[in-house]
Amino acid sequence: EAGVTQFPSHSVIEKGQTVTLRCDPISGHDNLYWYRRVMGKEIKFLLHFVKESKQDESGMPNNRFLAERTGGTYSTLKVQPAELEDSGVYFCASSQDRQSYTFGSGTRLTVV
Amino acid sequence: ILNVEQSPQSLHVQEGDSTNFTCSFPSSNFYALHWYRWETAKSPEALFVMTLNGDEKKKGRISATLNTKEGYSYLYIKGSQPEDSATYLCASEDGNTDKLIFGTGTRLQVFP
Repeated sequence: EAGVTQFPSHSVIEKGQTVTLRCDPISGHDNLYWYRRVMGKEIKFLLHFVKESKQDESGMPNNRFLAERTGGTYSTLKVQPAELEDSGVYFCASSQDRQSYTFGSGTRLTVV
Repeated sequence: ILNVEQSPQSLHVQEGDSTNFTCSFPSSNFYALHWYRWETAKSPEALFVMTLNGDEKKKGRISATLNTKEGYSYLYIKGSQPEDSATYLCASEDGNTDKLIFGTGTRLQVFP
């Protein structure tokens, strides 16, 4: 089966600009998660979708971050406006049964 | 313990050496312990998921143990090879929320 796909793999934007990250989960996986790793720190949970509904968004840093999953398939994470501290690697993961989680290779975001 | 902690932070070993890492996690609300192997710019690769106290799992030269009562897990690599060089991440899964709570990882470098 195809894995979790994330796009773009890298993005460099200026402070104040908008960036949209995309995640395509494994087909049929209802559960989709976003995580973020800031340099030198641990990977941290951002939010969890079950199909198109937000199950838990307790990890979202602030209202500059907006996640959507229209139709319960792919998901987007928009950062608007981006700040320097938003730089990091954004991972997406999907799960069918909440027993195992498959991660994408991440989007490395650099805000300058 | 409130967070997931991994030690050591980094490790340099010679090819053929055996090595082990430690992951400490909160024992309250524990559901499962995940080990991942991660190379930069690639997807974190799932190694093991363990749930029961005393669990031991093995995959080739890599094995892991779990102690849920005292809140720790060990990952062992027997006869390290250069291709084992990667960051090894552990994550505790919270039983109430199914979020993964990651440690900062152990970066392993194996020299030929």
